Amino acid sequence: GDSVTQMEGPVTLSEEAFLTINCTYTATGYPSLFWYVQYPGEGLQLLLKATKADDKGSNKGFEATYRKETTSFHLEKGSVQVSDSAVYFCALSDRGNAGNNRKLIWGLGTSLAVNP
Amino acid sequence: GAGVSQTPSNKVTEKGKYVELRCDPISGHTALYWYRQSLGQGPEFLIYFQGTGAADDSGLPNDRFFAVRPEGSVSTLKIQRTERGDSAVYLCASSPGGGTNYGYTFGSGTRLTVV
Repeated sequence: GDSVTQMEGPVTLSEEAFLTINCTYTATGYPSLFWYVQYPGEGLQLLLKATKADDKGSNKGFEATYRKETTSFHLEKGSVQVSDSAVYFCALSDRGNAGNNRKLIWGLGTSLAVNP
Repeated sequence: GAGVSQTPSNKVTEKGKYVELRCDPISGHTALYWYRQSLGQGPEFLIYFQGTGAADDSGLPNDRFFAVRPEGSVSTLKIQRTERGDSAVYLCASSPGGGTNYGYTFGSGTRLTVV
């Protein structure tokens, strides 16, 4: 079945460092890909998404490009801030067994801590 | 409402008891999802509603779990004869439609602890 693998954490960086969190996937068909973020004590929030190959999702300085040839959707940010400390989840949509249901299949999450 | 509301935020129950978890989606959102997130894991799909009907319940772990959405808005996840392994954060998400392009909005979750 479909699956998502993301790099294990925790990841600890200094402020203004470059961030990469790797995500690869296995899927039949053409899934959409997502990064969600969970700040301490808060619910999951959509960070960015890409719905087809070569699309680049971007938000709040974060970027990820849908690479079909490498089945990857790595998250990057050029200069992290303390406020970026959170858990980041990579996910893909799966049509499932109900025509229009695009339930999400998730990676395990990567915890990021940014120190001042 | 402005967001997806889940109540209670925390629930502690004894093994064997019955619990109900409530989700109030964004007004007008026809699609509603329940997920379960165990510590250190990503969310795990449980059930999907389109309107009042459960369009996909393939993620429910066993027949102790049941969910309803009788009027197409508020949904209740019901767990009978709770077990310690049911302890997790139960997440609800809603969407204007079932497709990916609409996006999903998650609630803050209900943390269920079975003792």
